[in-house]
Amino acid sequence: DTEVTQTPKHLVMGMTNKKSLKCEQHMGHRAMYWYKQKAKKPPELMFVYSYEKLSINESVPSRFSPECPNSSLLNLHLHALQPEDSALYLCASSQESSGLAGLSYNEQFFGPGTRLTVL
Amino acid sequence: DQQVKQNSPSLSVQEGRISILNCDYTNSMFDYFLWYKKYPAEGPTFLISISSIKDKNEDGRFTVFLNKSAKHLSLHIVPSQPGDSAVYFCAASGSSNTGKLIFGQGTTLQVKP
Repeated sequence: DTEVTQTPKHLVMGMTNKKSLKCEQHMGHRAMYWYKQKAKKPPELMFVYSYEKLSINESVPSRFSPECPNSSLLNLHLHALQPEDSALYLCASSQESSGLAGLSYNEQFFGPGTRLTVL
Repeated sequence: DQQVKQNSPSLSVQEGRISILNCDYTNSMFDYFLWYKKYPAEGPTFLISISSIKDKNEDGRFTVFLNKSAKHLSLHIVPSQPGDSAVYFCAASGSSNTGKLIFGQGTTLQVKP
């Protein structure tokens, strides 16, 4: 299984709603990532989890709250979002994030994304 | 400050010919480089990578060249096929920025039949 899955595929929410995005991988990867991508822009890193611990938070507003319940799952909890948060949210995973294994350590595999619209 | 730059927003080539996509970087600490392909409404798909200890890596129709002194890499696609039409992102990382991929702005490739 070389796939990263994300649910839902599309999400429309109001500014007062609470919702969650889910990501799952079964490749045994120990690093998982959340990215945000706006139209015609490159993906921007939001969070990195390494061995189920948050290792990087790219100064993301607290209305985005990541959670890594286990090594295969990654959630992104959303609350009180703004219309400018509308974007494609991408999850990715890799063998690990530090490169110490000497492998293709940053070969990240991406999911299909969740298209989020905040009204 | 853009550390990874793809200066050509778009490229159009004829089917069967070579496509050359270029990428420049400014951070000399980058030691691993990747190319991703992205179709609309999908996540990026990993294509090929290269470590800074090499200057060339080949996988089928795709070859990546790295010129460390010029801080430049390129992706060659030979022969180009209409199915290659997509946005191509160059990305870079270094052991000093663990877990972070820095992406370029992307180049939209159109391969005409």
